[in-house]
Amino acid sequence: GAVVSQHPSRVICKSGTSVKIECRSLDFQATTMFWYRQFPKQSLMLMATSNEGSKATYEQGVEKDKFLINHASLTLSTLTVTSAHPEDSSFYICSARDSEGPAYEQYFGPGTRLTVT
Amino acid sequence: KQEVTQIPAALSVPEGENLVLNCSFTDSAIYNLQWFRQDPGKGLTSLLLIQSSQREQTSGRLNASLDKSSGRSTLYIAASQPGDSATYLCAVRGAGSYQLTFGKGTKLSVIP
Repeated sequence: GAVVSQHPSRVICKSGTSVKIECRSLDFQATTMFWYRQFPKQSLMLMATSNEGSKATYEQGVEKDKFLINHASLTLSTLTVTSAHPEDSSFYICSARDSEGPAYEQYFGPGTRLTVT
Repeated sequence: KQEVTQIPAALSVPEGENLVLNCSFTDSAIYNLQWFRQDPGKGLTSLLLIQSSQREQTSGRLNASLDKSSGRSTLYIAASQPGDSATYLCAVRGAGSYQLTFGKGTKLSVIP
């Protein structure tokens, strides 16, 4: 089955620094990837839609200059949290849509736990 | 704007019991509805996906139903096991969109 990986699985960074999270589709090509954020006991909230070779589309209320998304290849999208603050601490999950597969399928990564101290 | 609600927020049952998890959504113009399982600190595992034209899907001990007109879906788990303990998330995909809108989930505990 289709597999999506995320790296790192956990990261701790100091306030004011930047951290990059990678999302990879391992055995399929993904022209579209999605980035979600999940706070404790809350739902997954879509942050942005990442399209290969073009700018990401951000949801209302998500700062595009703070959450930089780069989808440089058909198998890799990155989310960079710039000038991180403690309130950015959250669980970040990506998903990927198989360009060749059923239009309705999205495959989710295992998530990245970000803690900003 | 689509809103997805899951009731109850938490449920505790003894092993072997059958149970039902509920999901409701406000906009019936959906492409499909999907049930996921999430273990603590982990990503999502897709359980069942129901297309808007379907009324139910089954996989092993799991059965999901969809009533699009009333904006409701249920996930039925038969003969629950301690290994079923997890948070179950319901998500809908709007018509003409790839985006998923998630509920907050139901945390299930199956007591041995």
